[in-house]
Amino acid sequence: ETVMTQSPGTLSVSPGERATLSCRASQSVSSNLAWYQQRPGQAPRLLIYGASTRATGIPARFSGSGSGTEFTLTISSLQSEDFAVYSCQQYNNWPQTFGQGTKVEIK
Amino acid sequence: QLQLQESGPGLVKPSETLSLTCIVSGGSISSSSYYWGWIRQPPGKGLDWIGNIYYSGNTYYNPSLKSRVTISVDTSKNQFSLKLSSVTAADTAVYYCARVSPPLFKYDSSGYWDYWGQGTLVTVSS
Repeated sequence: ETVMTQSPGTLSVSPGERATLSCRASQSVSSNLAWYQQRPGQAPRLLIYGASTRATGIPARFSGSGSGTEFTLTISSLQSEDFAVYSCQQYNNWPQTFGQGTKVEIK
Repeated sequence: QLQLQESGPGLVKPSETLSLTCIVSGGSISSSSYYWGWIRQPPGKGLDWIGNIYYSGNTYYNPSLKSRVTISVDTSKNQFSLKLSSVTAADTAVYYCARVSPPLFKYDSSGYWDYWGQGTLVTVSS
């Protein structure tokens, strides 16, 4: 199966700063990649699909890029509500798989 | 607004069968555009796909769980269900039901998950 590796495991960022999260696939997933945000005690929330398309209602400070095996989620200016765990998911290869997550914490 | 809600026992004994139901409201489970599925998350760990179902009843299971999983759909009640047999402590997790949006020309039920239930914790313990 396709292994999704996210880095770093934890990212410490100050409010207002930029955060860059990485997701690497063990084989090409084309652009069939999604990003999710998960706050403590809540269900995941879809942020990005198709590697770069923002889901409905997602603020413009969230952007996704990449294709093939290397992907990036960028949060341009962190707000207090953005401190959470972010997971990537590939849905190109069977079976679909998720990364282990990156925790974005307040510095 | 589409909503999904999981229901079922929060405690299951080892070797028994875990059973959960997901009720869909605000939209029809019989839409030809989507699949419906289950994902779980062990405490402190990442997300793990269990399986999906189409309104017609076609099912797609993660090979790692296929021998123990059954997913079914009841379109008359707008709900779908999960059964996981022979559970062990390793099956302790928050179980989510969600809707899958597949990309164009993809027919294996894979896609991104755009609507989620709130999740329900199932603990396997005697």
